[in-house]
Amino acid sequence: DAGITQSPRYKITETGRQVTLMCHQTWSHSYMFWYRQDLGHGLRLIYYSAAADITDKGEVPDGYVVSRSKTENFPLTLESATRSQTSVYFCASRPRDRGRLRGNFGPGTRLTVT
Amino acid sequence: RKEVEQDPGPFNVPEGATVAFNCTYSNSASQSFFWYRQDCRKEPKLLMSVYSSGNEDGRFTAQLNRASQYISLLIRDSKLSDSATYLCVVLNGGGSQGNLIFGKGTKLSVKP
Repeated sequence: DAGITQSPRYKITETGRQVTLMCHQTWSHSYMFWYRQDLGHGLRLIYYSAAADITDKGEVPDGYVVSRSKTENFPLTLESATRSQTSVYFCASRPRDRGRLRGNFGPGTRLTVT
Repeated sequence: RKEVEQDPGPFNVPEGATVAFNCTYSNSASQSFFWYRQDCRKEPKLLMSVYSSGNEDGRFTAQLNRASQYISLLIRDSKLSDSATYLCVVLNGGGSQGNLIFGKGTKLSVKP
């Protein structure tokens, strides 16, 4: 089925470990985004990508790395996880045509850093 | 100043009530505006776009005032299933660019 998927859905990791969150979309959307959602902060943009091999920082990029070698995948890596990165992470996508904006969010990944 | 500001609520209303949410945005160059709905522990989902002329989708009416940089959402005849957090969202950037900027959300609880 077409859609946007994230994996894993739940992850517990230790401080200092590297962890990668995966995001895959089947719509061939140009844009992909990573957000984190925390109580009191709402959704904050971490990184986004306008196309394969094009990425840019959002509001809270520190401690995260992204890549986009293929249009359909946009992995987010925490190079050395910290407790402050405990959060719910949402991946999203949208087509290049702004007029066809859709609320295309993945189901989220709940990450706990101990 | 936060780019998109909303009253966090919670709004506790009885079934059948009319409830209105407000939102202000700081970037006068913002291009597009939306309301999203988010249920507890789920992903946000697009509820409706907001146009300057105002638009309606069933019991939901959205309004945009560009001069005041103000967006509103009116829900008539509230249902229990309307209980959720409503996110005001602004799309910034020109051309095909643009990122969605989210407000922190307004929580609605509809009681029997």
